[in-house]
Amino acid sequence: TQLLEQSPQFLSIQEGENLTVYCNSSSVFSSLQWYRQEPGEGPVLLVTVVTGGEVKKLKRLTFQFGDARKDSSLHITAAQPGDTGLYLCAGADAGTEKDNRKLIWGLGTSLAVNP
Amino acid sequence: DTEVTQTPKHLVMGMTNKKSLKCEQHMGHRAMYWYKQKAKKPPELMFVYSYEKLSINESVPSRFSPECPNSSLLNLHLHALQPEDSALYLCASSQDQFGTGVTSYEQYFGPGTRLTVT
Repeated sequence: TQLLEQSPQFLSIQEGENLTVYCNSSSVFSSLQWYRQEPGEGPVLLVTVVTGGEVKKLKRLTFQFGDARKDSSLHITAAQPGDTGLYLCAGADAGTEKDNRKLIWGLGTSLAVNP
Repeated sequence: DTEVTQTPKHLVMGMTNKKSLKCEQHMGHRAMYWYKQKAKKPPELMFVYSYEKLSINESVPSRFSPECPNSSLLNLHLHALQPEDSALYLCASSQDQFGTGVTSYEQYFGPGTRLTVT
């Protein structure tokens, strides 16, 4: 069974601090997505990384895909209260049969940024 | 437009009721998904429709019955649910399921239906 290990599970920080969330697997993914979810709402897609070693930036958020496409990180610079939410990584495995392809989800990181 | 809509937003139902959840997308996506999500947990896949045909059923109990009337609509019919079925039910869509293009795994979610079974 494929797993995406996401860490940390919970994070409570002060406004202005930096943080990094990690997603790790022993499996290779064809692509990996990061989502942010607020309470009572659906996940919102932040970014998709596809190429090993790829770095993408979205304002204060920096996403990196590992060279071997087995891991990814999300770094937030100068966190703000509006960054509070559940961050989820999800990997797409191209190695399984087409009819059974689905996203493999990390368990999520619950981030609280305190003013 | 990357909008997926879901109705109703909230639903309270008894264990003997029959109700339906509805989902709609107008992005031309050919894959649609139902997920169940408990608080602070990742979404759990229930069903996948690809080109209006059921392609994945994750061993979901028969009290949940999906339906895809056309490429834009997805329903989830509920009957004789249990209190443990209370959760946020999410609908999502993507270009297609089979990953023929790198963006096709990108799933766009609706706001969800908060279901409470009493």
